[in-house]
Amino acid sequence: DVKVTQSSRYLVKRTGEKVFLECVQDMDHENMFWYRQDPGLGLRLIYFSYDVKMKEKGDIPEGYSVSREKKERFSLILESASTNQTSMYLCASSLGHTNTEAFFGQGTRLTVV
Amino acid sequence: GQQVMQIPQYQHVQEGEDFTTYCNSSTTLSNIQWYKQRPGGHPVFLIQLVKSGEVKKQKRLTFQFGEAKKNSSLHITATQTTDVGTYFCAGRIRGSTLGRLYFGRGTQLTVWP
Repeated sequence: DVKVTQSSRYLVKRTGEKVFLECVQDMDHENMFWYRQDPGLGLRLIYFSYDVKMKEKGDIPEGYSVSREKKERFSLILESASTNQTSMYLCASSLGHTNTEAFFGQGTRLTVV
Repeated sequence: GQQVMQIPQYQHVQEGEDFTTYCNSSTTLSNIQWYKQRPGGHPVFLIQLVKSGEVKKQKRLTFQFGEAKKNSSLHITATQTTDVGTYFCAGRIRGSTLGRLYFGRGTQLTVWP
């Protein structure tokens, strides 16, 4: 079974903190994604990586950065957390060609206070 | 802006009634995928459609991809309480970065007994 593992299920951070969300996949997938899920807004893509050290901005990259130094690991960084970044964050991965499904992690519920 | 539109946002049905969710794009899609997210869970892949006019069935679920490859639908016959969740469509827009999926906002289905 493909496994996408996010480091934390729940996180509480203070405004202004630098926050790291980690995601690891074990299926040698080329593509990895970070989504943010808010009620009524669906899944919004923050960043997308299609290879090691390669990344592409998604729909809402402001306030976030990413790192992919190894193929299996994709990190989302909140440089200075703000309360409007309180949300559910979902990581996903997929194989590197067109017609493949995405596998999602369990999600990290981040609360910024 | 939203590349893939999905309606309705919410649907409440009585057990045994049918349910349909619709997905539309202003641009041609290379493929369309459907995901289901149970309450408290993460999105799980259901199916992928690639060919123009394609129809696929999974038990009580019927998936269609439009002739112009700009729209898709998911129809559930005789809903059951186990069908509860949010259904997302996701498409790859022709010409976009390989592997990148554009998600609709989802349709949240509630089924009461």
